[in-house]
Amino acid sequence: KAGVTQTPRYLIKTRGQQVTLSCSPISGHRSVSWYQQTPGQGLQFLFEYFSETQRNKGNFPGRFSGRQFSNSRSEMNVSTLELGDSALYLCASSLGRVPLMYQETQYFGPGTRLLVL
Amino acid sequence: GESVGLHLPTLSVQEGDNSIINCAYSNSASDYFIWYKQESGKGPQFIIDIRSNMDKRQGQRVTVLLNKTVKHLSLQIAATQPGDSAVYLCAEMPYSGGSNYKLTFGKGTLLTVNP
Repeated sequence: KAGVTQTPRYLIKTRGQQVTLSCSPISGHRSVSWYQQTPGQGLQFLFEYFSETQRNKGNFPGRFSGRQFSNSRSEMNVSTLELGDSALYLCASSLGRVPLMYQETQYFGPGTRLLVL
Repeated sequence: GESVGLHLPTLSVQEGDNSIINCAYSNSASDYFIWYKQESGKGPQFIIDIRSNMDKRQGQRVTVLLNKTVKHLSLQIAATQPGDSAVYLCAEMPYSGGSNYKLTFGKGTLLTVNP
């Protein structure tokens, strides 16, 4: 079974621009979570999507947004980029059982390395 | 204020030795824990997980121990190999009913295996 895939793998943008990152979860997985990883803050949770709805959200400004499609693929968007948005953006997928009886393992993709100049 | 890089704890071992990586978690409501391995330039790779109704779980060459009393997690790697060199991340997740998928990560430990 193919793992989580993310595109693009590398991206260079300038301040003020916007960017869209894409994530395809493991086949059959319905929950997609996004994380930001930086040397200063480590891995931090951005948001989680299930059935095209955002269920959980971390403490990031509204410039960070996302969506999920009916095939469970997800995109995240960052508008008005700042230098501090330079990071590795990681997507993780999990089965997304309903009802959720217990927490599920999250499997990560390779990430998208974003550099803001 | 000025941000500083995370100071990663480091562990250096000889090939063939056993490694023990420790993690202190913060949320007493957390009842699911995962260890990930992250190699340079790659995403975290799942190693092993454990739920709070257990205190030990074994995988292939790895064992995770959970001590809920002191909120401590450890990962033991037997017969450590050069390919085990990576950053090891522990993650915790509380169960709040329904849909809490937020993993909270520790800062990680850098394991270096010397041949």
